[in-house]
Amino acid sequence: GENVEQHPSTLSVQEGDSAVIKCTYSDSASNYFPWYKQELGKGPQLIIDIRSNVGEKKDQRIAVTLNKTAKHFSLHITETQPEDSAVYFCAASGPPTGYSTLTFGKGTMLLVSP
Amino acid sequence: GAVVSQHPSRVICKSGTSVKIECRSLDFQATTMFWYRQFPKQSLMLMATSNEGSKATYEQGVEKDKFLINHASLTLSTLTVTSAHPEDSSFYICSAERRTAYNSPLHFGNGTRLTVT
Repeated sequence: GENVEQHPSTLSVQEGDSAVIKCTYSDSASNYFPWYKQELGKGPQLIIDIRSNVGEKKDQRIAVTLNKTAKHFSLHITETQPEDSAVYFCAASGPPTGYSTLTFGKGTMLLVSP
Repeated sequence: GAVVSQHPSRVICKSGTSVKIECRSLDFQATTMFWYRQFPKQSLMLMATSNEGSKATYEQGVEKDKFLINHASLTLSTLTVTSAHPEDSSFYICSAERRTAYNSPLHFGNGTRLTVT
């Protein structure tokens, strides 16, 4: 089955700095890679996703890059703000288990200091 | 946007009792819903996949007789933790897949914190 590794486990940055979280996956058949933000005591919220036919996707301060050859994808947050502080999870899915059967990374706790 | 609602948000029960958690898709029909368990400072672990009108598919190591799943309608799935024990204390989260949209993103509920005393 799919295995997703995520690094770092914790990340502390100053407000305004950029933050980068990296994930690798093992199954070359995986073709969908979402990122979720989870605040304390809440469920995960989708913040951005990318499919395997695209190398990069951007949404305001958030971007995701995908390298299918190397089987890794990264989340980039620019101009970080204290409200970006949360746990971020990467995930991967694809055949044969299906698009919606996500395998999650272990999470990165991001702390943005004012 | 798509909204998934879970109820209750928190529940405390005594060891040996059963607890039911509801997961509802509020503005769309969900053919498939997923149930996850999350222990403190850990990732989400898929427990089972719930399909409307059919039996749930459980992940390896998850006891189907202990975690009963019912998906009776296109907007509601329930997870019942039977004969709960303190080790079942965890954060249970559901997600729902929109029926009519191919490859639409998954949306998660806000979770249910179960504490078994």
